[in-house]
Amino acid sequence: DARVTQTPRHKVTEMGQEVTMRCQPILGHNTVFWYRQTMMQGLELLAYFRNRAPLDDSGMPKDRFSAEMPDATLATLKIQPSEPRDSAVYFCASGLKRPRTSGGARPYNEQFFGPGTRLTVL
Amino acid sequence: AQRVTQPEKLLSVFKGAPVELKCNYSYSGSPELFWYVQYSRQRLQLLLRHISRESIKGFTADLNKGETSFHLKKPFAQEEDSAMYYCALSPYTDKLIFGTGTRLQVFP
Repeated sequence: DARVTQTPRHKVTEMGQEVTMRCQPILGHNTVFWYRQTMMQGLELLAYFRNRAPLDDSGMPKDRFSAEMPDATLATLKIQPSEPRDSAVYFCASGLKRPRTSGGARPYNEQFFGPGTRLTVL
Repeated sequence: AQRVTQPEKLLSVFKGAPVELKCNYSYSGSPELFWYVQYSRQRLQLLLRHISRESIKGFTADLNKGETSFHLKKPFAQEEDSAMYYCALSPYTDKLIFGTGTRLQVFP
């Protein structure tokens, strides 16, 4: 049963420290998403990649957040320096983009979510 | 602006009662809408999507373009339905815009 994995599952750190979260997408999936979940905002898309190239990172604070895909089996989300307001659950999701059908119907590419990393910045 | 609104943070019902989780969206084009569910200690997963017109675990959702709504309904709630429910909009093939979620509590 293929699943998205994320490490660490929990992280407690002090303000100013660097935090790196890792995600292993489902093998064969070509799209990776990073979301942040908070009580107030719900699930927010931070960034996503297709074939390891960033397609949209408009939801990510650029000054302290960075996301990369060093290879097809690893996606990373880094916060440097971390702040208390970054405390949240960070989810990674992966999916397989499929082409449109001959009739032009837009396919939906289901996103499969990881278990999340619960980050607490003190 | 593309937006999904779930007005209720918490919805509590008794087992056997009907359930309706509200979702309204704002999008100028032809949306694709979904409901995702997160059970306790489990990961977020797709429940249903409007284009499939399917019923999953007794839940249905109808897209009402006139009211820009995609409410999730179930005629008789079960305790195992207790979970966090997210409505989501896909303006493109890839991105999902989520609402803030509604926690459903079903009491015995």
